[in-house]
Amino acid sequence: AQRVTQPEKLLSVFKGAPVELKCNYSYSGSPELFWYVQYSRQRLQLLLRHISRESIKGFTADLNKGETSFHLKKPFAQEEDSAMYYCALSLMNTGFQKLVFGTGTRLLVSP
Amino acid sequence: DTGVSQDPRHKITKRGQNVTFRCDPISEHNRLYWYRQTLGQGPEFLTYFQNEAQLEKSRLLSDRFSAERPKGSFSTLEIQRTEQGDSAMYLCASSSRQGRNTEAFFGQGTRLTVV
Repeated sequence: AQRVTQPEKLLSVFKGAPVELKCNYSYSGSPELFWYVQYSRQRLQLLLRHISRESIKGFTADLNKGETSFHLKKPFAQEEDSAMYYCALSLMNTGFQKLVFGTGTRLLVSP
Repeated sequence: DTGVSQDPRHKITKRGQNVTFRCDPISEHNRLYWYRQTLGQGPEFLTYFQNEAQLEKSRLLSDRFSAERPKGSFSTLEIQRTEQGDSAMYLCASSSRQGRNTEAFFGQGTRLTVV
């Protein structure tokens, strides 16, 4: 069965520290992975997707098919990065963007 | 705000009552999704529309749940005979027809509390 695992409910770091939010997935097909972010009192929004291979707000994520991981990284955390982060898997064989989400990790960046 | 709009934002209802939520997608988007999010969990897929056709329903969507998108524009999600376990955030998302996996834009959700 398709599954996304985010092992940390809360990650607390100081401003300027490196950040890594972990995400592992289970899927027998060809995966498409996403990171979504939800800032306080705002809607869920796409942060980045693995096929874009781009850095958004200083965040990057590399798909590692061998380890079935898609960890989100940022070298120097900022206070405005504090938010809820969800890793999501798109089931490619459905013909549309059916997303399977992890349980989320709350990132708290302290001054 | 020209994004996905959901109404109401909050709904408190007594157990056994029926409730209906509305979602207005981004105007040029032909794909519409409903998700449910309970406390401490990520969103879970409920159902998907392409234009007015409901093409997939999750097993999470019991017989008490029904969703419609009559003219391929706005959508409604109705829950009949609500139960306390229905308390959740109900999220709507939409995406365009361009390609197979384009970005889904989410609404702010309707928070349902069944008392």
